Amino acid sequence: SQTIHQWPATLVQPVGSPLSLECTVEGTSNPNLYWYRQAAGRGLQLLFYSVGIGQISSEVPQNLSASRPQDRQFILSSKKLLLSDSGFYLCAWSQNWVRGAGELFFGEGSRLTVL
Amino acid sequence: SQQGEEDPQALSIQEGENATMNCSYKTSINNLQWYRQNSGRGLVHLILIRSNEREKHSGRLRVTLDTSKKSSSLLITASRAADTASYFCATVPNTNAGKSTFGDGTTLTVKP
Repeated sequence: SQTIHQWPATLVQPVGSPLSLECTVEGTSNPNLYWYRQAAGRGLQLLFYSVGIGQISSEVPQNLSASRPQDRQFILSSKKLLLSDSGFYLCAWSQNWVRGAGELFFGEGSRLTVL
Repeated sequence: SQQGEEDPQALSIQEGENATMNCSYKTSINNLQWYRQNSGRGLVHLILIRSNEREKHSGRLRVTLDTSKKSSSLLITASRAADTASYFCATVPNTNAGKSTFGDGTTLTVKP
């Protein structure tokens, strides 16, 4: 069975510090990978998605970047955090378009507070 | 911008009652999905309905889709306190399954 791991679960960072959130998927190959951000009481905003190693699409211009160094690894980064980067970050995977209908499988989330 | 918009934003019912949530969207879709999120947790996929389907059931869940009105509804029958959560619809476009768009969700509270 497939599993998705996301860490850290919680972090508090000062403004201007770097960020690295990591996500790995097990039990599947060549998944689509996604980073979403969720503001309190709101829906999910797609930040990045990837259909393969080194292939990253950015949906929203921002202070963040994403990388996919391995097939089942997706990393969200920032060189200098802003207060507005605070939020709940969710990693997700899906089968690629040929194999699946786009059902998303989510990690447990990372709550980031920037002070 | 969010394509899916859920209605109502919040719903409070007694255990045993039915809960109905609605979702409206703007552009053509390949399918529409409903997800559940417990507070502070990741989302869990509940059910998927394709654009050529009108109704689908899964346990106590019933989803309808009206593509002419660009709307969907999620019905939870005989609700339980454990159904308390936020529910989101997500639309998957025809052209790119990688760009699901979520609404802001309906927060359901089921009182025991």
